[in-house]
Amino acid sequence: DAGVTQSPTHLIKTRGQQVTLRCSPKSGHDTVSWYQQALGQGPQFIFQYYEEEERQRGNFPDRFSGHQFPNYSSELNVNALLLGDSALYLCASSLGEGNEQFFGPGTRLTVL
Amino acid sequence: AQKVTQAQTEISVVEKEDVTLDCVYETRDTTYYLFWYKQPPSGELVFLIRRNSFDEQNEISGRYSWNFQKSTSSFNFTITASQVVDSAVYFCALILDSNDYKLSFGAGTTVTVRA
Repeated sequence: DAGVTQSPTHLIKTRGQQVTLRCSPKSGHDTVSWYQQALGQGPQFIFQYYEEEERQRGNFPDRFSGHQFPNYSSELNVNALLLGDSALYLCASSLGEGNEQFFGPGTRLTVL
Repeated sequence: AQKVTQAQTEISVVEKEDVTLDCVYETRDTTYYLFWYKQPPSGELVFLIRRNSFDEQNEISGRYSWNFQKSTSSFNFTITASQVVDSAVYFCALILDSNDYKLSFGAGTTVTVRA
C-alpha cells in the first residue's frame, strides 16, 4: 500500500520564476492538503482540496494556487517566487473529516 | 482562532530515560481532535496518535503514552525508555470539528536521545 508520494524531492529556482509541485495521496484517500514548513518552524496550512475544489485556504497570497485531479492527485503552483518561499512543502492526504492526515516526504524548494 | 503551544524548544536525554512533551491548546470549540506527529531528520511527518475531545481516556501504545486533560487544555505525550531512534522533532496539532479542516501545529519540540 503506497503512502503519500511527492515530486520532485528538491528544486532550485530563482526569484520571479514559477514552480509546480506534485502529490499523490495514499490509496483510498480523497482529500489533499498542502503545508509550508520554514526552517525551524511548524508546518503552516496553505489549502485543502476535496472533490476537485479548494475547500479551505490558509493565509497565503494568490500566488499560491492548486488543483486536484479526478484521481485525487494534486498540484501546488507558486508564481512570482520570492526568497521567502524557500521552504519544505508538505502534502498530506486524509479520508473524512477530523481524521489523521498522512504526510509525504516533502519537496524542498530553494529560491535564489 | 485555535492555537497550539509547545513551550519546550529542545529536550536532551540519555537513552532509556523517559521523555514527556508538553502541549497546551486554545479553542472555543467543544469538539476537536488532537494529534502528535514525529518529524525525523529525513523530513517526513509521521503520524503517532489522535484523540478526540470527548474521549479523555489516557492510553498507552507500546512505548508511547499520552495524557489528555480537557480541564487544563493539555495533551502531553510521553516516550518511555527512550531510544536513539526517537531523536526527532515532535509536533502537537489540532483540528476543529466545525468546517475547519486544517491542522494547526505547535512550533515543535526537538528531542535528542544520546547513547
